[in-house]
Amino acid sequence: AQSVTQLDSQVPVFEEAPVELRCNYSSSVSVYLFWYVQYPNQGLQLLLKYLSGSTLVKGINGFEAEFNKSQTSFHLRKPSVHISDTAEYFCAVSDNDMRFGAGTRLTVKP
Amino acid sequence: GAVVSQHPSWVICKSGTSVKIECRSLDFQATTMFWYRQFPKQSLMLMATSNEGSKATYEQGVEKDKFLINHASLTLSTLTVTSAHPEDSSFYICSASLSNGYEQYFGPGTRLTVT
Repeated sequence: AQSVTQLDSQVPVFEEAPVELRCNYSSSVSVYLFWYVQYPNQGLQLLLKYLSGSTLVKGINGFEAEFNKSQTSFHLRKPSVHISDTAEYFCAVSDNDMRFGAGTRLTVKP
Repeated sequence: GAVVSQHPSWVICKSGTSVKIECRSLDFQATTMFWYRQFPKQSLMLMATSNEGSKATYEQGVEKDKFLINHASLTLSTLTVTSAHPEDSSFYICSASLSNGYEQYFGPGTRLTVT
């Protein structure tokens, strides 16, 4: 069965600084990987996904992630964050079922 | 494309009553729908998976008689919380997937408060 580990529960960062949110997964089969963002009292919004092909995936809002099969990682990055990026971020892995990491709270400070 | 709606977005009910939450895929036919529960400051926990016309498959520890799931059509699934209690208060999120199954499209969630 697949599982997801988000290594940081909280990441505080100053505005315009770069950020990396870490995600590691385990699975015995080929997987599809996703990053979602959740704002308070809202559902999940898809940031980006890796299904196949290029290991560098670009998503919305300037985010990107790199699939690293040897390290079983799918870290999310943004070169310069904004106050509006403050939210909860979830990494997820899917084969038939989708499993979520515990989430990382990104707080962008002015 | 691939829009999923939920209704209501929030509901308050009294302890002992039942409440129904609807999940609709607006612009596609969903082979499978999923129901998740999210406690404050926690991740999503899969409650059950349902396929149109079949009985839902519940995750371990989820009471199927308490959380009734009906997937009557390819665009509608409902979750009924029966005899709700305050501990059932939570954020419930549904999702729907196409026949390929690996990508899910999420609804906006329903905030349930049981008083």
